[in-house]
Amino acid sequence: EDQVTQSPEALRLQEGESSSLNCSYTVSGLRGLFWYRQDPGKGPEFLFTLYSAGEEKEKERLKATLTKKESFLHITAPKPEDSATYLCAVHTGGGTGNQFYFGTGTSLTVIP
Amino acid sequence: DAMVIQNPRYQVTQFGKPVTLSCSQTLNHNVMYWYQQKSSQAPKLLFHYYDKDFNNEADTPDNFQSRRPNTSFCFLDIRSPGLGDAAMYLCATSREGGLQPQHFGDGTRLSIL
Repeated sequence: EDQVTQSPEALRLQEGESSSLNCSYTVSGLRGLFWYRQDPGKGPEFLFTLYSAGEEKEKERLKATLTKKESFLHITAPKPEDSATYLCAVHTGGGTGNQFYFGTGTSLTVIP
Repeated sequence: DAMVIQNPRYQVTQFGKPVTLSCSQTLNHNVMYWYQQKSSQAPKLLFHYYDKDFNNEADTPDNFQSRRPNTSFCFLDIRSPGLGDAAMYLCATSREGGLQPQHFGDGTRLSIL
């Protein structure tokens, strides 16, 4: 059964304290892995897409990496405005056979 | 700005009373999705449209239906809402299928009395 697991469920960091969020997956035929940020009462906001093991993407204080079994979202020197829930999602299948599975997210709180 | 707009943001309905949620997009994307997200849970894909082609997830209850009258609009109909259907409903679009990122609206929070 296809599954996406994120850890930890919640993370509290001091401002400037770098850390990593994990997304592990067991799916048949990964086509892409997505990272989203979700603020309370809002829809998810797209951050990154990773397609193959070894790929890395960066945006400001965030860096996403991908292996054959998991993805990491590294947060360097976080600021309070980085506080949000971070979701990963995987796409399996191809063409119009869109099979998407989201993880339950990591709730990040950055304390000033 | 191009965007995905969901109306209303908050919807209250009575147990068993049909309700319709709406989504519009100015992105001109081919694909539109509906997700259900319950508190502290992952968004769960209910169905999606690739252009006019409707794709239902295997475990989406029959109580949930959808319409896409044109490229810009998509509707979620819940025929007889139960207490378990209280959730945030998210609409998303993508340019093509699968490998393109999805752009989400801010959701409609549905409450059932």
